[in-house]
Amino acid sequence: AQSVTQPDIHITVSEGASLELRCNYSYGATPYLFWYVQSPGQGLQLLLKYFSGDTLVQGIKGFEAEFKRSQSSFNLRKPSVHWSDAAEYFCAVAQHGSSNTGKLIFGQGTTLQVKP
Amino acid sequence: DTAVSQTPKYLVTQMGNDKSIKCEQNLGHDTMYWYKQDSKKFLKIMFSYNNKELIINETVPNRFSPKSPDKAHLNLHINSLELGDSAVYFCASSQDVNQPQHFGDGTRLSIL
Repeated sequence: AQSVTQPDIHITVSEGASLELRCNYSYGATPYLFWYVQSPGQGLQLLLKYFSGDTLVQGIKGFEAEFKRSQSSFNLRKPSVHWSDAAEYFCAVAQHGSSNTGKLIFGQGTTLQVKP
Repeated sequence: DTAVSQTPKYLVTQMGNDKSIKCEQNLGHDTMYWYKQDSKKFLKIMFSYNNKELIINETVPNRFSPKSPDKAHLNLHINSLELGDSAVYFCASSQDVNQPQHFGDGTRLSIL
């Protein structure tokens, strides 16, 4: 069965510091991979996605993520964090191909706190 | 010009009542979804409709019934509400099942 693990429940970084949020998935083939961000009281906003091709994908708000097949990982990175980045971050996986139903399986989420 | 809109934003009601949550998308998407986010922020899909046809029906109590009158709307009706139904419910849509999903702002349901 497909699953997504975000090992870090809570991360605190100083403003201006670099950030890496970890995501590991379990899936029989190469899945579609996503990172979403949820600000308090808001819905989920898509940061970036990986479908195929270049394993380093760029997203909005200065985020990027790297797909590593050998490690079944899709870690999210940002070189310099801003206070407005404080939010909940979700990694998600979807199967693709003829059997795709669009079903997203989410990780448990990582809460990012930014210190001034 | 909200892309995916849900109403109401907050819903407080008593156990045993029946309530509905409405969702509309103006993106011209073919596929719509309902997700439940529990108190630990865990997100799980409940239903999905593609061109008004049900394509995902997870293990959800049959007290929950989705209705899609047209491609732009997917409403969620809940009968005989229970305490465990308290959660945030998110509607989402995508161009098709292979495209990224756009989420609404959620409906926070509280059962007294």
